[in-house]
Amino acid sequence: SQTIHQWPATLVQPVGSPLSLECTVEGTSNPNLYWYRQAAGRGLQLLFYSVGIGQISSEVPQNLSASRPQDRQFILSSKKLLLSDSGFYLCACTGGRTGELFFGEGSRLTVL
Amino acid sequence: SQQGEEDPQALSIQEGENATMNCSYKTSINNLQWYRQNSGRGLVHLILIRSNEREKHSGRLRVTLDTSKKSSSLLITASRAADTASYFCATDAGGGADGLTFGKGTHLIIQP
Repeated sequence: SQTIHQWPATLVQPVGSPLSLECTVEGTSNPNLYWYRQAAGRGLQLLFYSVGIGQISSEVPQNLSASRPQDRQFILSSKKLLLSDSGFYLCACTGGRTGELFFGEGSRLTVL
Repeated sequence: SQQGEEDPQALSIQEGENATMNCSYKTSINNLQWYRQNSGRGLVHLILIRSNEREKHSGRLRVTLDTSKKSSSLLITASRAADTASYFCATDAGGGADGLTFGKGTHLIIQP
């Protein structure tokens, strides 16, 4: 079965600093990959998804960008963080034929 | 925007009791899924019910789906302290690779 690795697990960054969150997937090939953000006490908001290398779709206009340089690597970036970028970021991939998602353990970002 | 809305937002019961959580959604779906999230962790897939199914069981979990009312319920029987977590419903509209739409979740606390 799929395993998703996310790092760093926790990050505290000043406003205006850059960001790079990484996600790698094991146990599958050519998965659909997703970045979700979860604000405190809220549900998950889909930020980006990718169906293949170099293919990125953005769901909401924002300060963030995503890239998929390899089949099983998904990166979330920002050039200049805003306070509103704070949150819990979750990487996910599809598995099996039924569309269920497998999630990583998340990266908690605090922007000060 | 959020597709699913869970009800209640929070639920506290005694160990051994049954816990019922509800989910309502707005548009037609291909399937509906329930996920569990322990505090500060990633989400774990629990169960999937297709739009042509009305009820599904998995261990102590029972899920129902009423497409005419656009609602689903998750029942956890004989609850245990380890069931304490947030539970999310997620809908798959089947339109492509753009992932699932999650509700805000029900925070379940099982009192020992």
